[in-house]
Amino acid sequence: SQTIHQWPATLVQPVGSPLSLECTVEGTSNPNLYWYRQAAGRGLQLLFYSVGIGQISSEVPQNLSASRPQDRQFILSSKKLLLSDSGFYLCAWSGVRSWRETQYFGPGTRLLVL
Amino acid sequence: AQSVSQHNHHVILSEAASLELGCNYSYGGTVNLFWYVQYPGQHLQLLLKYFSGDPLVKGIKGFEAEFIKSKFSFNLRKPSVQWSDTAEYFCAVNVGSQGNLIFGKGTKLSVKP
Repeated sequence: SQTIHQWPATLVQPVGSPLSLECTVEGTSNPNLYWYRQAAGRGLQLLFYSVGIGQISSEVPQNLSASRPQDRQFILSSKKLLLSDSGFYLCAWSGVRSWRETQYFGPGTRLLVL
Repeated sequence: AQSVSQHNHHVILSEAASLELGCNYSYGGTVNLFWYVQYPGQHLQLLLKYFSGDPLVKGIKGFEAEFIKSKFSFNLRKPSVQWSDTAEYFCAVNVGSQGNLIFGKGTKLSVKP
């Protein structure tokens, strides 16, 4: 069966520090991968999605970036965190048979920028 | 731009009460519709989805949703809620060839025992 991992589970970082959040998927090949952010009172917002290694699409301009160095690894990064980057970050994967595929979510990383 | 509206931020019900959570979307083309649920301390997970066919969709745990195209709505219903239904519920729309989900802001449901 497929599983999705995210780490760390919780992170407290000072403003201006770098960020690296990792997501890995097991039990499937060539998944579509997604990064979402859930900020307080704002629901879930798609940040990035990837349909393959090295292929990243950005939905929202910001100081975050994403990379996909391996088929089942998706990394969210920032060179300098802002206070507004605080939130709950969710990684998700879906199959590629059609664009109707259900997305499966990881446990999330709670980021607090101070 | 496409958007999804969930009208209720927090709903409080007693056990056995009936539930209806509203969801409206703004997109004129073909959409796929989803309801996700996040129980306390658990992953976000799929509750039900609509792609085509019968507009009344049945999901897990006795939930159902009705797609009304003319109203751009996909409301979630359950005839009799249980304490274990306490969770946050998210409506989502899938548009475009990449399958990107657009989520509503979520509705917190609290069920009193």
